[in-house]
Amino acid sequence: AQTVTQSQPEMSVQEAETVTLSCTYDTSESDYYLFWYKQPPSRQMILVIRQEAYKQQNATENRFSVNFQKAAKSFSLKISDSQLGDAAMYFCAYKGPGTYKYIFGTGTRLKVLA
Amino acid sequence: GAVVSQHPSWVICKSGTSVKIECRSLDFQATTMFWYRQFPKQSLMLMATSNEGSKATYEQGVEKDKFLINHASLTLSTLTVTSAHPEDSSFYICSASMGSVEKLFFGSGTQLSVL
Repeated sequence: AQTVTQSQPEMSVQEAETVTLSCTYDTSESDYYLFWYKQPPSRQMILVIRQEAYKQQNATENRFSVNFQKAAKSFSLKISDSQLGDAAMYFCAYKGPGTYKYIFGTGTRLKVLA
Repeated sequence: GAVVSQHPSWVICKSGTSVKIECRSLDFQATTMFWYRQFPKQSLMLMATSNEGSKATYEQGVEKDKFLINHASLTLSTLTVTSAHPEDSSFYICSASMGSVEKLFFGSGTQLSVL
């Protein structure tokens, strides 16, 4: 069965600095999707970034980028120039082929220090 | 972007009563909708998957008679918590898929408190 692991329950970063959130997953599939979702205090889930496994190029969305290591089954999120509004829970998620079922990790709470 | 509206955002009810939560896709047709439950400071736990016009598929351990899901149209799915008890108190979130697009769009969630 597929699993998603986020080993950092909580992380802190100074405003304007860079932080990396870790995520590892386990799957026997070769074609799948990986996501990072942000859940701010409002609890609205917001898609931060998406990576398709068959694409070797790491996805980037403005200040957010990923380091996708397929062989190592690692999918970390880098947030550059951290802002106070980045403070939230971040969930890593996996979606396998032929299904819309997402498997979420346990989340990492990011604190941004002014 | 695609918007999913979830209502109500919070509800308080007495033990033994039933509560209905609505999830609507406002500007797209949702072929599949999902219902999640989230306990404080924990991840999202998938409860069930619903496709328009067919019975919902429940995850293992989720009581289908307790959590009734109806996906009557391509824009509306409802979750009814029947005979609610305090242990059903939780944050419930719906999400919707547009079909071939590999994205989920989430509602803003419903905090249910059962007294």
